Parts: sequence; C-alpha cells; structure tokens
Amino acid sequence: NAGVTQTPKFQVLKTGQSMTLQCAQDMNHEYMSWYRQDPGMGLRLIHYSVGAGITDQGEVPNGYNVSRSTTEDFPLRLLSAAPSQTSVYFCASSSWEGGTEAFFGQGTRLTVV
Amino acid sequence: AQSVTQLDSQVPVFEEAPVELRCNYSSSVSVYLFWYVQYPNQGLQLLLKYLSGSTLVKGINGFEAEFNKSQTSFHLRKPSVHISDTAEYFCAVSDLGGATNKLIFGTGTLLAVQP
Repeated sequence: NAGVTQTPKFQVLKTGQSMTLQCAQDMNHEYMSWYRQDPGMGLRLIHYSVGAGITDQGEVPNGYNVSRSTTEDFPLRLLSAAPSQTSVYFCASSSWEGGTEAFFGQGTRLTVV
Repeated sequence: AQSVTQLDSQVPVFEEAPVELRCNYSSSVSVYLFWYVQYPNQGLQLLLKYLSGSTLVKGINGFEAEFNKSQTSFHLRKPSVHISDTAEYFCAVSDLGGATNKLIFGTGTLLAVQP
C-alpha cells in the first residue's frame, strides 16, 4: 500500500499563477482533508471532504478550491497564487468516523515569489 | 468551537532524561484527543490517542499521555528520551460523535534531544 501520495514535493510559483496539488489515497477512506503548515501556527485546515461529490470549507479556505470526483483523489487548486500562500501543504485521509487515525502524505513545499 | 494550546514551542532535553510536552484544549463538547509526531521533512504519524476508558494511554516508541478532564489537559510524557525522538509533536482534538474526523491541531512543540 502506498498510503497517501502527494505530488509534487516541491514547487515554485510566480504571483498570479495557478496550479493543482495532487493527493491520492489507496485505503478506500471516505474522509480526506488539506492542511497548510506554517511556522508557529501548526496545521490549519483548508478544505475537507466526507466522500465523492461532497466538500466543505475549513479554517482557511480563501484562495483555494477543491473537488472530489472519486474516493481516491482530492486535488487542491490555487487559483491565483499569492506570497501569503507560501507554505507546506499536507493531505490526509481517514475513515469518516471520529477517533480514527489520520494518514498524512509527505507534504508539498510551495514557494510563491 | 474547539482549540488546542501547546504552551511550549520548543523543549530542549538531554538524552536519557524524562520529558513532558504540555497540551490543553478547549471545547464545548466531548472530544477525542491525539498526539501526532512529525520527523524532519516528513508527514505526521499517530503517536497515541484517547477515545474513552483509562485516562492513561500508551503509544509507540515508549510515549504515554494522561487525559485530565477537570484540567482539560492531555500531556505527553516519556521517561527516557533518545536522540531519535527529536521531532515536532502536535496535539489535536476531534469531536466525539461528530459527523466527520475533522482534526484541530495545536501549534506544535519541537522536542530537541541533545547528547
């Protein structure tokens, strides 16, 4: 099992460019989520999904879009990148039920210049 | 709304010494509690969790944590640390009985183990 796979691992964008961060899981998990990690701020929830076709906003959704067309994939789109979106992004998946273990990808380090 | 407070951003400790990483939470509903560990340049992995029952829970790598409902705390402890324990540790909560497994994280504590 690969678990949760994120691509790319590193990315540099210019302000105003758009891009998609990919996330795929092979554990048949219903629940998937995206976090950003910034120094001194821990992990903050961007968007999450409880199943194919269902997404919702987290704590910091502005500037990001998501969709969930399949159980396996949960891409995160940056519509018009800004320097404030420089961060490390983590995708996670788990059973939808509270209290279950979340499995994280290795992260994508994004720099917006 | 829930929140998690990790008061110590960094904890330096010598190898083989004991360590405690503090976590306090605030919530209007009952919660599940977690500790996750992040080794350098890696994703997070679960150390241990409290769902119900015994307030002392044991996790991987010799770590344990104690749930204290009256103090709304879930402190992480290890009696003797190793260099390999150097990592960032995150405390997290999720709603007990919630419709999703949404995790709210603290700001993290960097455990720096020195020889």
